[in-house]
Amino acid sequence: GAVVSQHPSWVICKSGTSVKIECRSLDFQATTMFWYRQFPKQSLMLMATSNEGSKATYEQGVEKDKFLINHASLTLSTLTVTSAHPEDSSFYICSARDMRSGANVLTFGAGSRLTVL
Amino acid sequence: DAKTTQPPSMDCAEGRAANLPCNHSTISGNEYVYWYRQIHSQGPQYIIHGLKNNETNEMASLIITEDRKSSTLILPHATLRDTAVYYCIVRDSNFGNEKLTFGTGTRLTIIP
Repeated sequence: GAVVSQHPSWVICKSGTSVKIECRSLDFQATTMFWYRQFPKQSLMLMATSNEGSKATYEQGVEKDKFLINHASLTLSTLTVTSAHPEDSSFYICSARDMRSGANVLTFGAGSRLTVL
Repeated sequence: DAKTTQPPSMDCAEGRAANLPCNHSTISGNEYVYWYRQIHSQGPQYIIHGLKNNETNEMASLIITEDRKSSTLILPHATLRDTAVYYCIVRDSNFGNEKLTFGTGTRLTIIP
């Protein structure tokens, strides 16, 4: 089945630094990937839609200059949290659809836990 | 996408069937019902989806009422590893509409 890999699975950084999270579709190509954020005891919130070869589409209230998304190839999307602050500490999850499947089903990565000190 | 309503939490004894309800009274004709689950500190996992017929796979069964205003996810023999938050999501399945909007889900706890 389709596999989505995220790296790193967890990261700790100092306030003010930037952190990059990678999302890879391992055995399929994905023209579109989705980035979610999840705070403790809350549901997943869609942040943005990553589009291969074009600009990402951000959900309302998500700062595009703070959360930089680059979808440089059909198997890789990256999320960079710029000038991270403690309130950016969260669980970041990406997902993609395997277009080979006739079903409109998203496969999710295992998530990346960011802690900003 | 139509809104769904789920109970916030449920308990089920290990080995018994877990029946998770979902109300989606505003569902439209071209919207499917999807179920995902999220085990603690992991990414969501797809379980099953359906339009109007009941569906079954190796993980679960999905029962959709005839008027499609509600559905039930059935885990036939729950194990401790089924403890998770279960999300019922209604979405138009047309190509180009792939993103999922998650509600608060049902926290299912399997009791030994």
